Amino acid sequence: DAGVTQSPTHLIKTRGQQVTLRCSPKSGHDTVSWYQQALGQGPQFIFQYYEEEERQRGNFPDRFSGHQFPNYSSELNVNALLLGDSALYLCASSPRGTGGAPPNTGELFFGEGSRLTVL
Amino acid sequence: AQSVTQLGSHVSVSEGALVLLRCNYSSSVPPYLFWYVQYPNQGLQLLLKYTSAATLVKGINGFEAEFKKSETSFHLTKPSAHMSDAAEYFCAVSGRNAGNMLTFGGGTRLMVKP
Repeated sequence: DAGVTQSPTHLIKTRGQQVTLRCSPKSGHDTVSWYQQALGQGPQFIFQYYEEEERQRGNFPDRFSGHQFPNYSSELNVNALLLGDSALYLCASSPRGTGGAPPNTGELFFGEGSRLTVL
Repeated sequence: AQSVTQLGSHVSVSEGALVLLRCNYSSSVPPYLFWYVQYPNQGLQLLLKYTSAATLVKGINGFEAEFKKSETSFHLTKPSAHMSDAAEYFCAVSGRNAGNMLTFGGGTRLMVKP
């Protein structure tokens, strides 16, 4: 049973460029969340997708956008990269309960992350 | 708004000693609380969670945590540290209708000395 997979694992970009990160959720999960983890800090919530729509969003600018595909996989896009965007980007998946929003079990399954370096 | 404070960014214990990692939260309503562990070059893994049942919660690998509302704390403990426990530990909080949106603390790196 494949867990959460993310690609690429590492990448280097320069300021002003754009980046796309990809995530495939754990089998049986249909909700995907993205977190940013700066060096030495805890993860910060970026946004969450289910039913191919952004459902919740953290305190991140519009330069951060996402998409969810019919197979539940997801992309995170960051435009106009800044040095401060350098971080480990984590994707987490969870199953969605009946009746809409994910159940609040807190049991997120995380991928190993994509480490982005902006020069 | 919710927040989590983890006291001590680094904790060092000897193998076999008690592990105590501190977490205090701020929330306007009773929250759900979680501890996650991150081993080097791996994703985060749920250790245990408090969702308003028993205040003493047991998790994987011998860890447990106690929810103390009066102290707004959710400290993580393990009676006897093992070398394999060396990792980064994160406390997290979620509102009851937050749909799995977690607010994490800054993390505590646990080092275990032989």
